Amino acid sequence: GAGVSQSPSNKVTEKGKDVELRCDPISGHTALYWYRQSLGQGLEFLIYFQGNSAPDKSGLPSDRFSAERTGGSVSTLTIQRTQQEDSAVYLCASSLAPRDNYEAFFGQGTRLTVV
Amino acid sequence: SQQGEEDPQALSIQEGENATMNCSYKTSINNLQWYRQNSGRGLVHLILIRSNEREKHSGRLRVTLDTSKKSSSLLITASRAADTASYFCATAVDRGSTLGRLYFGRGTQLTVWP
Repeated sequence: GAGVSQSPSNKVTEKGKDVELRCDPISGHTALYWYRQSLGQGLEFLIYFQGNSAPDKSGLPSDRFSAERTGGSVSTLTIQRTQQEDSAVYLCASSLAPRDNYEAFFGQGTRLTVV
Repeated sequence: SQQGEEDPQALSIQEGENATMNCSYKTSINNLQWYRQNSGRGLVHLILIRSNEREKHSGRLRVTLDTSKKSSSLLITASRAADTASYFCATAVDRGSTLGRLYFGRGTQLTVWP
């Protein structure tokens, strides 16, 4: 595709429900990142996939959060038993091999609101 | 913890003036990148400077990198109202299990008044 695509754009869910956020990276990009941004704040790193290497999950805030990347392409971020503090914009980005100094391309994000 | 930190947190200037934003980081990097964000959604890449470079230009943007001080600056010359946005620096670490991971700072909110 032309860019990184995220869906849905907006998601309102009730506290305690599970949600899935999807990211379609740019074709051929080996690196994929998930970040979270609360209102007026910086980007909080969540998880990083690079090729066939084990993902860097060190940023996931709790075991309610998980992510997978199928076939080295599409990624899904799952939040179980959502809490109000999970409300934020979830941003996905993809890149060619980062060690070769390529920039990251971001999707428009999913705004998650937990009520 | 995130390693990039921008300074100042907010900057307000008049059109035509120059805007300078600074970024400090903690560990060895492969490159440093600057991004722009409008309206709290997707970020757009502006410029990348490699660890062996000291200065880079792109249009009205000038980026410097001082690896001895672990700092970078972004200069926007002759600013325009359309430059109003949040600006973030991101560092790509160069070693270990986090190779390639991008760390972002909290950003500088730039407001350019017409």
